[in-house]
Amino acid sequence: DSGVTQTPKHLITATGQRVTLRCSPRSGDLSVYWYQQSLDQGLQFLIQYYNGEERAKGNILERFSAQQFPDLHSELNLSSLELGDSALYFCASSSRDSIATNEKLFFGSGTQLSVL
Amino acid sequence: LAKTTQPISMDSYEGQEVNITCSHNNIATNDYITWYQQFPSQGPRFIIQGYKTKVTNEVASLFIPADRKSSTLSLPRVSLSDTAVYYCLVGSILTGGGNKLTFGTGTQLKVEL
Repeated sequence: DSGVTQTPKHLITATGQRVTLRCSPRSGDLSVYWYQQSLDQGLQFLIQYYNGEERAKGNILERFSAQQFPDLHSELNLSSLELGDSALYFCASSSRDSIATNEKLFFGSGTQLSVL
Repeated sequence: LAKTTQPISMDSYEGQEVNITCSHNNIATNDYITWYQQFPSQGPRFIIQGYKTKVTNEVASLFIPADRKSSTLSLPRVSLSDTAVYYCLVGSILTGGGNKLTFGTGTQLKVEL
């Protein structure tokens, strides 16, 4: 058990809908990362938050947004869903600040999103 | 960003030593090299991390040559349960902070009896 909690584990929805994925980092971790993993794209970095502030942005679509709350949990909002958004979405947390490169990421078990 | 290149797949048998090499030609001075293991439908799990020379823990060893343009993950005496995807990750610092930690394509290791 990594200590990172993601809910829900599975999510089935229809095209055009909006969903929210939730992540609770390990106790004491300030950094939260979101990744998308699909069969043909591998593990894609989406966005990173550190202590409530956005710190790095990857290949995140404009239809997607995220935030980190004062209690450090994070939410990833996906809107106007398309079939191609079906994927495993992982959240990871880290104990170090965003400047260090020797970060060790602890991943949750992911949310499997299926868009029908 | 330091791009990584790994073999797409490798096959081995139980009890053998497996070495997976990762190329990262444009690694930056401050970058560390980290390896993760991922089983199907699970999040990646940290295996080992290093900066230079050799690092060893209870799971694996990591060999990094002096030029740091590549690294080799060594798994001693693999078992069926080591069948997984292994990712080499090189950290990147963005101007102003933030880590755009990008995973490569990973190496699918298959261990057979």
